[in-house]
Amino acid sequence: QKEVEQDPGPLSVPEGAIVSLNCTYSNSAFQYFMWYRQYSRKGPELLMYTYSSGNKEDGRFTAQVDKSSKYISLFIRDSQPSDSATYLCAMIYNKFYFGSGTKLNVKP
Amino acid sequence: DTGVSQNPRHKITKRGQNVTFRCDPISEHNRLYWYRQTLGQGPEFLTYFQNEAQLEKSRLLSDRFSAERPKGSFSTLEIQRTEQGDSAMYLCASSLGAGGSYEQYFGPGTRLTVT
Repeated sequence: QKEVEQDPGPLSVPEGAIVSLNCTYSNSAFQYFMWYRQYSRKGPELLMYTYSSGNKEDGRFTAQVDKSSKYISLFIRDSQPSDSATYLCAMIYNKFYFGSGTKLNVKP
Repeated sequence: DTGVSQNPRHKITKRGQNVTFRCDPISEHNRLYWYRQTLGQGPEFLTYFQNEAQLEKSRLLSDRFSAERPKGSFSTLEIQRTEQGDSAMYLCASSLGAGGSYEQYFGPGTRLTVT
């Protein structure tokens, strides 16, 4: 079993839709939780990070952590074609552990 | 551009050859990380440096792989006797370390193809 599980998608939505991206994890020692966006043939770009359970909002993005369920989510409101990318969740326990990424396609 | 830079961006080599990649981190960052990413997968941790000290190496880093950060600034990753299974994107990231260690900034990567 991988430390971090993420549905690879692809996920295809119409422009303006609310997108929900999720990861589950097995190690309760994970502390920091992050979401990265990676465009094709580029390095990952940090979107959001959070430490505790609960929600954190930044513009159209909301990160949610439920430590009791070992489940994290990223919500994108009013999705745009420019949001089309692969979204990676990542967690830290001594080092970084990444999910495999979910490929998102937002159709105009 | 003050971000993380990596060179070369692409490298095609024949099996058995040695290759070396370079990473220049953000100047004030003292931590530097190397990752490998294959198609459809997230980055896999290879190794990291705190200044010039290599603090951790993944078991993925076989004895054909070596990384250095001689003056605590840029880093090199060398792969000896390349194999087809080494074909991947090699990513470098840097961070401030300590309290800022969760904010890793990635470079654009070096895409290696071993034929």
